[in-house]
Amino acid sequence: AQSVTQLDSQVPVFEEAPVELRCNYSSSVSVYLFWYVQYPNQGLQLLLKYLSGSTLVKGINGFEAEFNKSQTSFHLRKPSVHISDTAEYFCAVSDQKRGYSTLTFGKGTMLLVSP
Amino acid sequence: SQTIHQWPATLVQPVGSPLSLECTVEGTSNPNLYWYRQAAGRGLQLLFYSVGIGQISSEVPQNLSASRPQDRQFILSSKKLLLSDSGFYLCAWRGPGQENLYEQYFGPGTRLTVT
Repeated sequence: AQSVTQLDSQVPVFEEAPVELRCNYSSSVSVYLFWYVQYPNQGLQLLLKYLSGSTLVKGINGFEAEFNKSQTSFHLRKPSVHISDTAEYFCAVSDQKRGYSTLTFGKGTMLLVSP
Repeated sequence: SQTIHQWPATLVQPVGSPLSLECTVEGTSNPNLYWYRQAAGRGLQLLFYSVGIGQISSEVPQNLSASRPQDRQFILSSKKLLLSDSGFYLCAWRGPGQENLYEQYFGPGTRLTVT
């Protein structure tokens, strides 16, 4: 089974500053990687995904992530955050459970953007 | 386009009462369906998975059960709720086929408080 580690439970940042949310995964085989965002009392929305090809992946709302196979990392970045980016962010990795495909999620990182 | 619905949005139930949460997907056929529970600070826990009508896989033994009476309907139930069942319940779906092997799409969630 896969595992995902999100190293920071909370990341406070000022508006218009850059931010990086860290994610490391456990697998040594080919994986697919995802970042989701969750606004308060809402479901999860897919931000971006890495399936293959270019290691730099661009997503919605100005976010991007870089897949680093040697470091088993998939960190999420944004060059300039807005107040509206305040939310919880989840990293997820493809997984197999008893023969079916699913996702394994990290515990989430709360991004707190202040003016 | 595909949409996913969950109801109710919020629910307050006493300990020992029954539970029924419903999830429906529109705009796709034969989706894979998932139930997750999200407790504070613990990320997403996969509860049940279904690949078709009447086919349910349980990930975590507990007093919850799931059923899939129709292709695009997924129900989460309990005969007697426990305090520990409180949380945010999310339903998700993914399309069939290799091209959609891991990407999941989430509903808006149900906030359950057991008192």
